[in-house]
Amino acid sequence: SSELTQDPAVSVALGQTVRITCQGDRLIYYSASWYQQKPGQAPVLVIFGENNRPSGIPDRFSGSTSGNTVSLTITGAEAEDEADYYCNSRDTSGDVIFGGGTKLTVL
Amino acid sequence: QVQLQESGPGLVKPSQTLSLSCTVSGGSISRDNYYCSWIRQPAGKGLEYIGRISTGGSTNYNPSLKSRVTISVGTSKNQFSLELSSVTAADTAVYYCATLYSHAGVDYFDFWGRGTLVSVSS
Repeated sequence: SSELTQDPAVSVALGQTVRITCQGDRLIYYSASWYQQKPGQAPVLVIFGENNRPSGIPDRFSGSTSGNTVSLTITGAEAEDEADYYCNSRDTSGDVIFGGGTKLTVL
Repeated sequence: QVQLQESGPGLVKPSQTLSLSCTVSGGSISRDNYYCSWIRQPAGKGLEYIGRISTGGSTNYNPSLKSRVTISVGTSKNQFSLELSSVTAADTAVYYCATLYSHAGVDYFDFWGRGTLVSVSS
């Protein structure tokens, strides 16, 4: 089991805003990064260092932190955002881990 | 733009050693606070961190795999490798290489290979 907890599945209506969360005790001390993975493809970094977007990632993706929970927010979800999303940070031993992933469905 | 490409056998027999290489192009892996790493993903499941190596050769491994894993830098500085010994069917997965930035509490995998499927079967 992962020490970063994500909801297995989340849905959002086209054009609406969705928040995907990741909870872990060490998130108070370490930042998190977020990855988007579409079927048959490698993960793509979408947010790092809490709220930084790599070049080429649309600004509808944003990150935030509150206590031991980090969130990935998609403002104005598009059909192409349907994917699995994974958070990444450290566990209580300081080892690199991934959350279990959240399947986002855009309705 | 850094690009990574995994290579190696797609089928390994149980109890044998899985060996993969990752070739990096379009940039240097010898950057401050950057590491070469391996991640795997069984079919239909999530991502699992395997380990990383710095260009100086220091390694870090997932504790659950540590006794079976070796990550090394190749003789050409733009290659690094993964060896996983005593494999079982549970090691069947898509294996990704990726570059990892890690410094002052910030980690992120910024560039990924396309992944290679390794099946363990007799």
